[in-house]
Amino acid sequence: ETGVTQSPTHLIKTRGQQVTLRCSSQSGHNTVSWYQQALGQGPQFIFQYYREEENGRGNFPPRFSGLQFPNYSSELNVNALELDDSALYLCASSLLREPTSAYGYTFGSGTRLTVV
Amino acid sequence: KNQVEQSPQSLIILEGKNCTLQCNYTVSPFSNLRWYKQDTGRGPVSLTIMTFSENTKSNGRYTATLDADTKQSSLHITASQLSDSASYICVVITGGYNKLIFGAGTRLAVHP
Repeated sequence: ETGVTQSPTHLIKTRGQQVTLRCSSQSGHNTVSWYQQALGQGPQFIFQYYREEENGRGNFPPRFSGLQFPNYSSELNVNALELDDSALYLCASSLLREPTSAYGYTFGSGTRLTVV
Repeated sequence: KNQVEQSPQSLIILEGKNCTLQCNYTVSPFSNLRWYKQDTGRGPVSLTIMTFSENTKSNGRYTATLDADTKQSSLHITASQLSDSASYICVVITGGYNKLIFGAGTRLAVHP
């Protein structure tokens, strides 16, 4: 599958710093969701944005925040980084209300964040 | 609590052999179930999507089954290839804002 682009691909940050990860949605998709995937684990839902508003959130603290822009691209911001934030961060775009669409939930390749 | 459990956790098979991966879920309300293939360090790629009324769906050498009564799904891989080595993740989409519930995945290694 193609269409969802994430940047950067790799990132190293120091504990306490802030980081911004970016996601460009697949054309025609209006929803973006973010996931954190620790090594050897399944992805954990962080939050979802639909038409620039957060419409669902997982069990993550407020220092994880996001934005969705009018072109449906998105940012994930993490403040006060902790060592446990080291993970692969995945972005997925979809067209809400058509979950069975062949183009639903397209994932990007992820950003590998390492906190030292 | 919405949960998706996969088994086995890891599997090693020889090239050319078949294998079956299992997924049990307790998710409500249920919208649809998907199997994804994830190469190490990459994003998941969709293999199959199944709704409540579908029992079987194929995508090349991949065949997924769904039993909505017992809340079980399986992914059967036929004539495995070295490139099938990856993690296979079962994902259940719940209703509302279509939240994805992920299993922890089955790590498959295909050896020559």
